[in-house]
Amino acid sequence: DAVMTQSPLSLPVTLGQPASISCRSSQSLVYSDGNTYLNWFQQRPGQSPRRLIYEVSNRDSGVPDRFSGSGSGTYFTLKISRVEAEDVGVYYCMQGTHWPWTFGQGTKVEIK
Amino acid sequence: QVQLVESGGGLVKPGGSLRLSCAASRFTFSDHYMSWIRQAPGKGLEWVSYISSSAESMYYRDSVKGRFTISRDNAKNSLYLQMNSLRAEDTAVYYCASSPITEPGTFTYWGQGILVTVSS
Repeated sequence: DAVMTQSPLSLPVTLGQPASISCRSSQSLVYSDGNTYLNWFQQRPGQSPRRLIYEVSNRDSGVPDRFSGSGSGTYFTLKISRVEAEDVGVYYCMQGTHWPWTFGQGTKVEIK
Repeated sequence: QVQLVESGGGLVKPGGSLRLSCAASRFTFSDHYMSWIRQAPGKGLEWVSYISSSAESMYYRDSVKGRFTISRDNAKNSLYLQMNSLRAEDTAVYYCASSPITEPGTFTYWGQGILVTVSS
């Protein structure tokens, strides 16, 4: 299985400051079609997960542009340029390249 | 806006069975592949099963193989998960998720989730 390892697991952030979450895969996530199926999801308290980013860096419709994804191969990053109160929650990376599809452990973002 | 509504959850004894349903609306169901993802209380997300748009391919995580069966009825815009031989470790909120076939390797839309509790 492709093991997804996120860090940090807890991220206290000051409002208006940037935040960064890393995600490392135990295997390259480049699929045979040349695409990389690495996604980022946000789960606010008490809500269902919501996709933010797909294929490493494509932001979903309605996702603020303060969220950005980058990376390649086995190392990926989600950045929030200026954290807002509504960004509180748990963030998960997830790979859809190898079966079984796997998630990272989650990173809890909270306001200091 | 895509809508996914899960139903069929509840309390079941170890060794028992349950059938989850996911009613899909506001999109062309047959153009989407579907998945079940679960989240144990206070824990992270775990993919459970996948079915392709026309049901020609199904995949399961190892811990549910032989016990869970995913299926879909494109005429009824519905996804199902038959869960047999349930164990305490299957206790979780179960989400159905859909993605258009033009977006491989992802979970584009999510339902609100349904709680399954396996306990005596």
